[in-house]
Amino acid sequence: GQQLNQSPQSMFIQEGEDVSMNCTSSSIFNTWLWYKQDPGEGPVLLIALYKAGELTSNGRLTAQFGITRKDSFLNISASIPSDVGIYFCAGFSNAGGTSYGKLTFGQGTILTVHP
Amino acid sequence: DTGVSQDPRHKITKRGQNVTFRCDPISEHNRLYWYRQTLGQGPEFLTYFQNEAQLEKSRLLSDRFSAERPKGSFSTLEIQRTEQGDSAMYLCASSFADRGIGKLFFGSGTQLSVL
Repeated sequence: GQQLNQSPQSMFIQEGEDVSMNCTSSSIFNTWLWYKQDPGEGPVLLIALYKAGELTSNGRLTAQFGITRKDSFLNISASIPSDVGIYFCAGFSNAGGTSYGKLTFGQGTILTVHP
Repeated sequence: DTGVSQDPRHKITKRGQNVTFRCDPISEHNRLYWYRQTLGQGPEFLTYFQNEAQLEKSRLLSDRFSAERPKGSFSTLEIQRTEQGDSAMYLCASSFADRGIGKLFFGSGTQLSVL
């Protein structure tokens, strides 16, 4: 089945540093999304990307939909302590007639920010 | 609070027992999803509804799992004859059908522990 591979698996950074993480797949996705999950909570949508090459920002977050449609990256600038959490990429592919309900998630990048 | 609500937040049960979880979506949303998440992994799609119709069910979902969404409002997920491998966080999400693929609003989940 489809799989998304996220890297790195975890990051330990100092407050104020920039962060970059990415997500790759062996198959094409038509939509890429980035979610953040805090402990004990459900994921929260950060950014949605719908077009190859698209670059979208949400405050200090910037994400891009790769030209090949097989990857995406997320950057966080000037990290702050509340950026701590698990970041998941997710993709949607309509290959094979998949309905619009099914997202495939990566395994997550755990971000720790030291004050 | 107008977010997605899930009940209970935690459930401990013995192997072989049946359990039922409830999800109340954001009231205007016509799509409702169930995902399962195990420790260290991203959410995994189980099933989804548009209004009261169940449009897709994961092949990973055994016959012991059943979901309903009567009247297109709240939803229930039942697991019969629970097994230890069913231990996971069960996440419910909802969305509009026509406001961007993948823009899901997740609840805080129900953590199931099967002893």
